[in-house]
Amino acid sequence: AQSVTQPDIHITVSEGASLELRCNYSYGATPYLFWYVQSPGQGLQLLLKYFSGDTLVQGIKGFEAEFKRSQSSFNLRKPSVHWSDAAEYFCAVGAIFTGNQFYFGTGTSLTVIP
Amino acid sequence: NAGVTQTPKFQVLKTGQSMTLQCAQDMNHEYMSWYRQDPGMGLRLIHYSVGAGITDQGEVPNGYNVSRSTTEDFPLRLLSAAPSQTSVYFCASTKQGSVNEKLFFGSGTQLSVL
Repeated sequence: AQSVTQPDIHITVSEGASLELRCNYSYGATPYLFWYVQSPGQGLQLLLKYFSGDTLVQGIKGFEAEFKRSQSSFNLRKPSVHWSDAAEYFCAVGAIFTGNQFYFGTGTSLTVIP
Repeated sequence: NAGVTQTPKFQVLKTGQSMTLQCAQDMNHEYMSWYRQDPGMGLRLIHYSVGAGITDQGEVPNGYNVSRSTTEDFPLRLLSAAPSQTSVYFCASTKQGSVNEKLFFGSGTQLSVL
């Protein structure tokens, strides 16, 4: 079965510090992978996506993510966090072989302290 | 360009009442879907559609009905609301009938069932 695991429910970082949010997936083929961000009271906005090719992908707002097939991971990183990055972050898998469905992780809530 | 529009933004129902959550998109997207978001559960797929006249069940379809008579609209019906359906509901669409494109999300409907 397809699944997405985000092991960190909540992370707190200081402004200017680096950030890594973890995502592991379970899928029987090469997945389509996404990271979304949700600000309070808002819908989700795409940060970046991976389909094939270079395993390090760049996204908006200075975020990047690295696909590691051997670890079934797609971790999100940012070198220097800004206070405006405080939000909920969701990893997702697009599963074309099981009925055109997207599967989301449970999310990681990020708090940024000054 | 309005994107994905959800109405209403807030709704309070009594147990047993029925209602329809509206979702419309003006981007000519083939793929439309409904998710519910609950604390600690992430986003779970309720129903989705890959085109007009075609719908399918997601992870948590019980208690919900959908139809897709036009490309633009994808309403979600609660026939007999239950407290377990208290949640935030998101409609999302994507421009192709596949999962290799990003989802465009509405701003959500917060539903409380008393």
